Amino acid sequence: DFQMTQSPSSLSAPVGSRVTITCRASQAINNYLAWYQQKPGKVPKLLIYAASTLQSGVPSRFSGSGSGTDFTLTISSLQAEDVATYYCQKYNSAPWTFGQGTKVDIK
Amino acid sequence: EVQLLESGGGLVQPGGSLRVSCAASGFTFRNFDMGWVRQAPGKGLEWVSSIKSSGIEKYYAGSVKGRFTISRDNSRNTLYLQMNSLKAEDTAIYYCATGTTYSSSWYHWGQGTLVTVSS
Repeated sequence: DFQMTQSPSSLSAPVGSRVTITCRASQAINNYLAWYQQKPGKVPKLLIYAASTLQSGVPSRFSGSGSGTDFTLTISSLQAEDVATYYCQKYNSAPWTFGQGTKVDIK
Repeated sequence: EVQLLESGGGLVQPGGSLRVSCAASGFTFRNFDMGWVRQAPGKGLEWVSSIKSSGIEKYYAGSVKGRFTISRDNSRNTLYLQMNSLKAEDTAIYYCATGTTYSSSWYHWGQGTLVTVSS
């Protein structure tokens, strides 16, 4: 089974801090990696596609990097409105597996 | 404006069947691959099934293969998910989603429809 492993599963950090979430694919997926943000009770929102391309309208404090099997989502300066769960997803081919999610909170 | 509107969710008994739909508007539906994603209460996102724009190629997660069938009607701009032999663990919000002309990652999502499997 294909797996996308995110870490950590949750984190708490002060406003203004730098936050990093990692995602590891069980096989190479080139750069077909997307990051989504889901706030409580809301629909997932696409933040980054192609591993590092910021979706239009997403604040520039969000960035993505990586290729092959290892990827990173970084929030350069955490804001209160960034409280959410973040998911990575591979989309090069079936299965379109999601990571298990990283819950981000404010300390 | 792209809109995806799911419908057909509800309460069904274990072993029962249900068909959920996703009505699409605001884009050329027949040109885009589509997918279903579900989210059980308090849990993460789980990819369920995807279908290519032509409707010929279909893909399923192992947890639903053999029980769920994805289909589309490009003349009606509608995506379907037929769910048979439902189990309690299929209880979730079911979202349809699609990409854009520049990326097949899922930019557009519906609001979801809740399927509850319980006796």
